[in-house]
Amino acid sequence: GAVVSQHPSWVICKSGTSVKIECRSLDFQATTMFWYRQFPKQSLMLMATSNEGSKATYEQGVEKDKFLINHASLTLSTLTVTSAHPEDSSFYICSALGDPPPNEQYFGPGTRLTVT
Amino acid sequence: GNSVTQMEGPVTLSEEAFLTINCTYTATGYPSLFWYVQYPGEGLQLLLKATKADDKGSNKGFEATYRKETTSFHLEKGSVQVSDSAVYFCALSDRRDDKIIFGKGTRLHILP
Repeated sequence: GAVVSQHPSWVICKSGTSVKIECRSLDFQATTMFWYRQFPKQSLMLMATSNEGSKATYEQGVEKDKFLINHASLTLSTLTVTSAHPEDSSFYICSALGDPPPNEQYFGPGTRLTVT
Repeated sequence: GNSVTQMEGPVTLSEEAFLTINCTYTATGYPSLFWYVQYPGEGLQLLLKATKADDKGSNKGFEATYRKETTSFHLEKGSVQVSDSAVYFCALSDRRDDKIIFGKGTRLHILP
């Protein structure tokens, strides 16, 4: 079946540093990937839509200069949290939309980011 | 805009009890509806889905029917097991852009 991986699964970083999270579709191609943020005991909030070969589309209220998204290939999207602060600590989840559409979104296991 | 409202948890039941988790939605057009499950320490998994009115999605003993007249997609299971303990998310997708809108999730605890 379709598998999406994320790396790392957890990361701790200091305030002011940047952290990169990778999202890979392991056995299928994905033109479109999505990045979500999940706060403790809350729902997933869509941050941005990542499209291979073009700029990401950010949801209202999400700082594009803080959360840099790159979708360089049909199997890889990266989210870089720049100049991280403690309030950026969260669970980040990606999903990949199988090609061709219409198709199902497959979710990665998530990355726990803690900023100290 | 589109939104999903589901009953707040946690919900605690004894094994073999009947389960209902309510979900209602607001959407323009004709969305697809989903239930996702997140087991402890794991990622989201699609549990079931329905793409049009009166469709019934089912999987692992769970089922939900797409009710357009009541804008609902309630999740039911006749006899829950301890292994069903997880967080359940109701969600919808506007087929115009594939974005998924999630409810806040309902934590389910099943006691042996």
